[in-house]
Amino acid sequence: GQNIDQPTEMTATEGAIVQINCTYQTSGFNGLFWYQQHAGEAPTFLSYNVLDGLEEKGRFSSFLSRSKGYSYLLLKELQMKDSASYLCAVLDSNYQLIWGAGTKLIIKP
Amino acid sequence: ETGVTQTPRHLVMGMTNKKSLKCEQHLGHNAMYWYKQSAKKPLELMFVYSLEERVENNSVPSRFSPECPNSSHLFLHLHTLQPEDSALYLCASSQASDSRTTEAFFGQGTRLTVV
Repeated sequence: GQNIDQPTEMTATEGAIVQINCTYQTSGFNGLFWYQQHAGEAPTFLSYNVLDGLEEKGRFSSFLSRSKGYSYLLLKELQMKDSASYLCAVLDSNYQLIWGAGTKLIIKP
Repeated sequence: ETGVTQTPRHLVMGMTNKKSLKCEQHLGHNAMYWYKQSAKKPLELMFVYSLEERVENNSVPSRFSPECPNSSHLFLHLHTLQPEDSALYLCASSQASDSRTTEAFFGQGTRLTVV
């Protein structure tokens, strides 16, 4: 079967750095997405990786290793507004998105 | 104006009621999706419409009935729902082809409570 694993919840301190991991086993791979979802709001697109390596976008970076079936989202200089759920999703061989359950990130002052 | 708009934002309905959820996208995308989001569970894909044709059903119970009259509008008709159907229902759109798809843009969802 297809599976996406990510931690259920993480806590970090304002101004610090946090890394949210995602591992996947899917039938084929056509890219990996990270989305941010604030409580009661729509998921919003953060990043897309299809090749191995690190993609940096401001305070957020996303890393992919296809051979290991592994990705992480790195958030630097954490702000209170970064408190949200972070969803990992893989595009499989049929170009269908397979979703993880999301990681709830709690930022403390 | 947001790219994907869903109405209503909140809905409470009895198990014998019939209601419809509406989704509209203003992004010119050719694919639209209905997802169900339950607490602490992955997003569940319910239906996919590509070029107004349904391409995925995912064994959704028949008490959920989608309708896609054109590429900008998507409906989810609900009847005789169960309490376990209470969830956040998200609509999304993307630009899809045989070889790739862009990121999905989501509406803010309808919080459905079945009593």
